[in-house]
Amino acid sequence: AQKVTQAQTEISVVEKEDVTLDCVYETRDTTYYLFWYKQPPSGELVFLIRRNSFDEQNEISGRYSWNFQKSTSSFNFTITASQVVDSAVYFCALSEAISNFGNEKLTFGTGTRLTIIP
Amino acid sequence: DGGITQSPKYLFRKEGQNVTLSCEQNLNHDAMYWYRQDPGQGLRLIYYSQIVNDFQKGDIAEGYSVSREKKESFPLTVTSAQKNPTAFYLCASSIEDRGAYEQYFGPGTRLTVT
Repeated sequence: AQKVTQAQTEISVVEKEDVTLDCVYETRDTTYYLFWYKQPPSGELVFLIRRNSFDEQNEISGRYSWNFQKSTSSFNFTITASQVVDSAVYFCALSEAISNFGNEKLTFGTGTRLTIIP
Repeated sequence: DGGITQSPKYLFRKEGQNVTLSCEQNLNHDAMYWYRQDPGQGLRLIYYSQIVNDFQKGDIAEGYSVSREKKESFPLTVTSAQKNPTAFYLCASSIEDRGAYEQYFGPGTRLTVT
C-alpha cells in the first residue's frame, strides 16, 4: 500500500527565514507522481507542483523549491524568505493509478501546518 | 470562469438525517472525486467517478452514496449510517495532462452533525 509521511505536524518561523517541509513516501509502483498542495484558512486546496518519478531534477519557482530524491524516497519543499501569506497547511501527495482509464487516486500525508510570524 | 463549486460552505444537520452535498464543475473534466478531511489528518477518498453513470468506492465509502447523472455534477449523500459524519468535505475533478491526472479542488463544505 502507498503511504506518505509528513513528520512535521507544525512549524513556526519568523518572517524572512527559510523553511523546509519534509515528505517521505512509500510505493511499489515504478511510475508515479508526487504533488504538493497548499491549504490556506479558507480550506480550498491549491496545487503547487507535480513531479514525475522519472524526473529527479530539482525545481525552483520563485521563492519555492522542491528537492526530489528517489534514493531516499523524499520530496521536500523549501520556502525561501518566508512571508506571512505562506501561512497554511501544506500537503504532500502520491498518485496511484486506479483503473485502466488511467485516473489516479491521491494518497495524502497528514499535512504540516506552517505559521509565519511577522 | 471555469472551476468547481461546492455548496453550501457550512452545513448543519441533526443526527439521523441524510444530507446531500453539492459539487458542480464546468471544466469539462471526466473524472470527479469526493474526499473527507478530519482535523490533523490528510484527505481520504470516499468515492470517485470516471465517467457519467459510473462510480467506484474509495477507501472510506461506508455510510456514503453518490450519483453521476451528468458530467458536470457529482453529489454526495451522507447517510444516517455514517457514524462520524462531522468533517470537511472536498470535491475534485481531474483531466489528463502529460500523462498525469491533475486534480483540481473545490472550496469544500464543512458539515456539522449534532
